[in-house]
Amino acid sequence: DAGVIQSPRHEVTEMGQEVTLRCKPISGHDYLFWYRQTMMRGLELLIYFNNNVPIDDSGMPEDRFSAKMPNASFSTLKIQPSEPRDSAVYFCASSRLAGVSGELFFGEGSRLTVL
Amino acid sequence: GENVEQHPSTLSVQEGDSAVIKCTYSDSASNYFPWYKQELGKRPQLIIDIRSNVGEKKDQRIAVTLNKTAKHFSLHITETQPEDSAVYFCAASRGNEKLTFGTGTRLTIIP
Repeated sequence: DAGVIQSPRHEVTEMGQEVTLRCKPISGHDYLFWYRQTMMRGLELLIYFNNNVPIDDSGMPEDRFSAKMPNASFSTLKIQPSEPRDSAVYFCASSRLAGVSGELFFGEGSRLTVL
Repeated sequence: GENVEQHPSTLSVQEGDSAVIKCTYSDSASNYFPWYKQELGKRPQLIIDIRSNVGEKKDQRIAVTLNKTAKHFSLHITETQPEDSAVYFCAASRGNEKLTFGTGTRLTIIP
C-alpha cells in the first residue's frame, strides 16, 4: 500500500479564497482523521470519521471549515473563506482502530499558506 | 475531555547522553499511551506505545514508563544519536476513543 496520500502538498492562496485539501486513506482502514499542526498549538484534531461517518467534529474551528468523506477511499477538508490564521500544515491520518491498538498512519501533510 | 501536558518543549542533549520527555494526562480512564516521532518536514510516526496494564516497555534504545497513580508517563532515549533529533509527541486515549496529543518536544542532539 502506498500509505495515506494527501494533496496538494503545498498550497498558497489569498485571504477569502476557497481551499480544498484531499486525502486517500490506507485501504481497509475504518478511521480517518484530520489534524492541523501549528507551532503554537501542536497537533490539533479537527474531525474524525468512522466508516465514512463523522464521529467527532468538535475540533473544527468554525463554520468556515467543513469535511466530507463520500466513500471509504476519499475525504476532503474545505476552508471557505480562508484567512491568514488558517496557515498551517494539515495532516490526514487513518487507522484500523481508534484508540487502543489504533496506530495512526499519517500522510505527508498539506502545507497551507494564506496571504 | 482528556488533557495531555508535555515537558519540556525543547531539549538539547550531547550525543551519547540520555534524553527524557515527560507527559501527564487528566483522564484516569485513559489506557493507551503512544509516542510519535516527527522528523523535520516529515510526517509523525509511531515509535513506541504502552497500555495501562504494563508499567514499562522497552525497544532497543527507547523505553516508556507509565505511572497510573500519578497519571504520568515518560519517554527515555539512551545513547542518543544525531538521527534522534526530531519532535516527539506523547498522546493518550481510552478505549476506542480518539487520541489526545501533547504539544510536542523538540529534541536536538548535539554532536
